[in-house]
This record gives sequence, structure tokens and C-alpha cells, in this order.
Amino acid sequence: EVQLVESGGGLVQPGGSLRLSCAASGFTFSNYEMNWVRQAPGKGLEWVSYISSTGSTINYADSAKGRLTISRDNAKNSLFLQMNSLRTEDTAVYYCVKGGGVDVWGQGTTVTVSS
Amino acid sequence: QSALTQPPSASGSPGQSVIISCTGTNSDVGGHNFVSWYQQHPGKAPKTMIYEVSKRPSGVPDRFSGSKSGNTASLTVSGLQAEDEADYYCSSYAGSNNWVFGGGTKLTVL
Repeated sequence: EVQLVESGGGLVQPGGSLRLSCAASGFTFSNYEMNWVRQAPGKGLEWVSYISSTGSTINYADSAKGRLTISRDNAKNSLFLQMNSLRTEDTAVYYCVKGGGVDVWGQGTTVTVSS
Repeated sequence: QSALTQPPSASGSPGQSVIISCTGTNSDVGGHNFVSWYQQHPGKAPKTMIYEVSKRPSGVPDRFSGSKSGNTASLTVSGLQAEDEADYYCSSYAGSNNWVFGGGTKLTVL
């Protein structure tokens, strides 16, 4: 069974940093592109970032460029999102999403940016 | 990276059919056959119901179907059941490793 388990969320002050992780299992992680998608409280889904299966191709939504960095470790079946210079508008549930056909979603991790 | 346009709400009685639209542009919905639909119940993670416009993942009831015409994609839910009440989101590949979501549609089963 494909499983994605996010971790690393929490409460952080504006301007602070967090590193989200996503542990993948049940599939050959190194064969699949991955994405981060977020959902602010009471709002819709927003695509945040993409990384190819090898990590050689990366892209970000305009809202993430320059502050959020996606990466992966295929040897450890893990996906990461380094979040710097956090703003209150970054408050959201962050989902790790397996791409390549049928998207599979993790359960999400909550990031709250507040003073 | 403009969001796709979905109606904020839709409704139908049990057994009826409902269609939810998702309108984009030539750069996303109209330009690629990578439209997906997701179902999200309150407090839960989204679940893929349709991918690549009209393909249904294993385990998704065949009451759910997807289609596309021009810049508009549609999700049809036939034989509505109480458990279909949820938020539904569309997404589309928008080229150059960009993706875009719709604003979501709240489906109410009357």
C-alpha cells in the first residue's frame, strides 16, 4: 500500500524557519515525481512545489519562490520542504503528493505562522 | 498561475446526477490531458477520484466520471449517495512543471 507520512509542522514566528519531511513507502520512490500542496484554513488547495524523480528538475509557485526549497533523498525514500522567511499567509496544512498518474496524498502536516 | 474556475456549490438529491465544471485556459485545461479531480471530506486529506481527464483509480465507484471539452473539464457524479457530500477540487497541468487548482466546489446531497 502506498503511504506518505508528513512531519515537521508546528508553530513558528513570522520570519522563522521549518523543515517539513515526507516519508514514503509502498512504492519505488525514486521512480516518481513529487509535489507539495498546501491548504490554508477554510481555503482551497494550492500547488506549492514540484520535484522530478531524480531531483534534477524543480519548480515553485510564485508564492514559494525564494523562500521555500524542495528536495528529496531517494536512498531514504524521503521528500523535504525547507521553509524560510515564513509569513502569516504560509499558515496551512501541507500535503506531500505522489505524482505520475494517480496522485496519492499524505495526511498532511500543519504549519502555523503567528507571533 | 491563475486558479481554475469552479462553481462554489452544487447539489442534488440521492440517486440524481450532478455535474461540476472546471474552466481554465488554453495553457492548462485546454492544452493538456492532465486534469484530475479530488474529493475531500471535512478534516481529511484529498483523495483522487479522476486522473488524466477521465481515468478512474482502482476502488473509485464508476458513478464518478470525467470529461473535457475545450478549456472546460467536468466531473459527473451519477446516482448520488449521502457519502458523496464533500468538497471537490479540479487540477490541471499548466506546462513547465506547473500545476493549478480550482477553487473547489461544495457538493451537498439534499
